[in-house]
Amino acid sequence: NAGVTQTPKFQVLKTGQSMTLQCAQDMNHEYMSWYRQDPGMGLRLIHYSVGAGITDQGEVPNGYNVSRSTTEDFPLRLLSAAPSQTSVYFCASSPSGRSEQYFGPGTRLTVT
Amino acid sequence: KQEVTQIPAALSVPEGENLVLNCSFTDSAIYNLQWFRQDPGKGLTSLLLIQSSQREQTSGRLNASLDKSSGRSTLYIAASQPGDSATYLCAPRGGSQGNLIFGKGTKLSVKP
Repeated sequence: NAGVTQTPKFQVLKTGQSMTLQCAQDMNHEYMSWYRQDPGMGLRLIHYSVGAGITDQGEVPNGYNVSRSTTEDFPLRLLSAAPSQTSVYFCASSPSGRSEQYFGPGTRLTVT
Repeated sequence: KQEVTQIPAALSVPEGENLVLNCSFTDSAIYNLQWFRQDPGKGLTSLLLIQSSQREQTSGRLNASLDKSSGRSTLYIAASQPGDSATYLCAPRGGSQGNLIFGKGTKLSVKP
């Protein structure tokens, strides 16, 4: 198993550009989530999904969209990037909402 | 709203010492609590998952305890080694969808 994979590893965007961060897992996990990690703030939940076709907002959802058309994939879309979205983004998955959660390697995003 | 505090924020010890990392949380209505390790520039590695019905969980030189009623968990590392140097994060899981809420971590440095 590859586990949780994320692409790209690094990305630089200009303010106003849009992009999609990819996340995939090959463990048939129902629960997937996106976090951002900022210095001094810890990890904060952006969006999560408890299964294909079901998504919900976390603590800091503004400026981000998600969809879950398959069990394997959970992309995170930035519609109009802002410098405040400069961060490291982690995707995670678990068999259910109460199981051990596994994290991907992260995407480091810089918005100039 | 769940708040998680980890003390100390940073810790430097000589190799071979036994040490304790502390985690406290404000809402005791949790399903479980997960301890993670994060190396610089890397993703999160799950160390231990302790269920709300458990008092302790052990993996090798690591032992996690949980006192749900008082909102505390500790991670005990025996015979520390330089390879243990990393940031350790604690994350209780609760709420209707079982989302993880993270502390800001304890940065551990083990000197040879």
